[in-house]
Amino acid sequence: DGGITQSPKYLFRKEGQNVTLSCEQNLNHDAMYWYRQDPGQGLRLIYYSQIVNDFQKGDIAEGYSVSREKKESFPLTVTSAQKNPTAFYLCASSMLGANTEAFFGQGTRLTVV
Amino acid sequence: GENVEQHPSTLSVQEGDSAVIKCTYSDSASNYFPWYKQELGKRPQLIIDIRSNVGEKKDQRIAVTLNKTAKHFSLHITETQPEDSAVYFCAPRRAGGTSYGKLTFGQGTILTVHP
Repeated sequence: DGGITQSPKYLFRKEGQNVTLSCEQNLNHDAMYWYRQDPGQGLRLIYYSQIVNDFQKGDIAEGYSVSREKKESFPLTVTSAQKNPTAFYLCASSMLGANTEAFFGQGTRLTVV
Repeated sequence: GENVEQHPSTLSVQEGDSAVIKCTYSDSASNYFPWYKQELGKRPQLIIDIRSNVGEKKDQRIAVTLNKTAKHFSLHITETQPEDSAVYFCAPRRAGGTSYGKLTFGQGTILTVHP
């Protein structure tokens, strides 16, 4: 069953702790993305990667880190430096190229308690 | 980088009416123009897209029109139904250049269809 999978679906974190969100795809896509979505808000780009071992900051990278050691995986770490981490996080992937659809995971809802 | 704006930010219509959402972009090199639909609590999914060599594309009740000169494209939904209620996003993309891999979405339009 092909697709993009995020885990966990819900995540609770204590203030001051780092937490890592998982994103795995078996679509053989080159590009992967992380977005943050706040209630009633749009999709804001955190980080993206076009190739293994390379990634670029998006529009709101502060307080986040990523790695791309494998083509299939693009984990996102929300660090304690992120001042307002409670949000819905979406991972996406696509082939590189202009005429390419993006596929999304089901999202992870992170709550800081 | 690409500046993407959607209008309106919210749209409320009666069932059966038409709805139009406009997306304005800044990058003249953009040549792929998709629209995504996100239902409450779910992931965004592609509903229709258009390439730069086409001015209009229809798929049943939805259509997308493109004006490359003015750098905007629009989503048209006819005979709206309550299940069309969702958030709609545009995400214009370019073929190459320094921002090649970046995928920027508009801020979204919340469409509510009242029965």
